[in-house]
Amino acid sequence: QSVLAQQPSASGTPGQTVTISCSGGSSNIASNSVSWYQQLPGTAPRLVISNNNQRPSGVPDRFSGSKSGTSASLAISGLQSEDEADYYCASWDDSLSVWAFGGGTKLTVL
Amino acid sequence: QLQLVQSGAELMRPGSSVKVSCQTSGGPFGNYGISWVRQAPGQGLEWMGAIIPLFGKPMYAQKFQGRVTITADQSTKTAYLELSSLRSDDTALYYCARNKRVANIKGALDYWGQGTLVAVSS
Repeated sequence: QSVLAQQPSASGTPGQTVTISCSGGSSNIASNSVSWYQQLPGTAPRLVISNNNQRPSGVPDRFSGSKSGTSASLAISGLQSEDEADYYCASWDDSLSVWAFGGGTKLTVL
Repeated sequence: QLQLVQSGAELMRPGSSVKVSCQTSGGPFGNYGISWVRQAPGQGLEWMGAIIPLFGKPMYAQKFQGRVTITADQSTKTAYLELSSLRSDDTALYYCARNKRVANIKGALDYWGQGTLVAVSS
């Protein structure tokens, strides 16, 4: 069972906006920044959002992140077929002294 | 561009130990943390521990305490993960990744190795 909770699946059609949520607690999301990772099939995870809402170089501005209290979300606008992947949220947990990951959300582009 | 290149796949017997390497190139090594994250087949990501090579003292997730050893060699810019007393449920892809904040393992993981498959089977 993951420390951070994510919905197992999400879907959308090309051009739509999809939001993936991540729920945590006072020792992780509320106290530390959230990052998001995209994992395409058969590849290593890729950082798409750091520090709650910052996009690394090379990540399209269709990806955006936000955080409020003990929850965070990743929004993908102008959905494209290449966005079909697993997405994981993560935050440092002060109580457990670990990087806590969500269980992952499988995004399907219909 | 920083690159992390990991050692090849391993097939191990239960009860044995495995050591996976992660060699970096194209960027600084000593003052950034290197984390190890594993992913069992069809499962999510699990952080195992990290080390900041300049400081040398690793940090481990409680779950792996006593079975995991993370080290780093600054001369070769290589980090290592050793996992002992292997069980079948240790079968997973093991990734190394860099913590993007200087001297702080709470930084997001911005560069990842390609992953090393460790299979444990009798």
